[in-house]
Amino acid sequence: DQQVKQNSPSLSVQEGRISILNCDYTNSMFDYFLWYKKYPAEGPTFLISISSIKDKNEDGRFTVFLNKSAKHLSLHIVPSQPGDSAVYFCAASGRNYGQNFVFGPGTRLSVLP
Amino acid sequence: DTGVSQDPRHKITKRGQNVTFRCDPISEHNRLYWYRQTLGQGPEFLTYFQNEAQLEKSRLLSDRFSAERPKGSFSTLEIQRTEQGDSAMYLCASSPSAVSYEQYFGPGTRLTVT
Repeated sequence: DQQVKQNSPSLSVQEGRISILNCDYTNSMFDYFLWYKKYPAEGPTFLISISSIKDKNEDGRFTVFLNKSAKHLSLHIVPSQPGDSAVYFCAASGRNYGQNFVFGPGTRLSVLP
Repeated sequence: DTGVSQDPRHKITKRGQNVTFRCDPISEHNRLYWYRQTLGQGPEFLTYFQNEAQLEKSRLLSDRFSAERPKGSFSTLEIQRTEQGDSAMYLCASSPSAVSYEQYFGPGTRLTVT
């Protein structure tokens, strides 16, 4: 039973347009969420995070939105660049959840020039 | 600082053999994590250390798996009597403190059990 879901295995976007990657979770104990980016042959790289006390966090071209009532978060990349092409993982954890970070299966983003 | 390093990067072994992987975290990071990742899935938590103490282990970590971090610096993950189902990418990550959720991952060790 996947507690963190990323229902789109892949996404293609034109360069300069917005990329929206979605993530859903089922465990209401989660209160901290992270996005990681992974290039081939490399480990995941931390991108941006959000605490459940917020509904939005922004860092440059990357914005994460959290809808706690829907148990849904999304990562927006604007404008998308070819270098953003990677696999993006959503991960969740919480103060009462120990250090067991739960990752989703990932979404492969392709930004087309 | 060169980041988290893992050795070896690739390991091919025959079923039933023992294997050991090493992880060197970013210096001064006192938290160290091991994950396993299979094709099409995200990393799955295996265990984590706070300094030299192993504080949490996943149910995924069977008795054939053991991890150590003897001096609170590098860590080793040993798999005994490997099975084909152990074939995966084994990722190590480190984190600077208890108040930070951000983890810095190494490149992983890809294990193939034949």
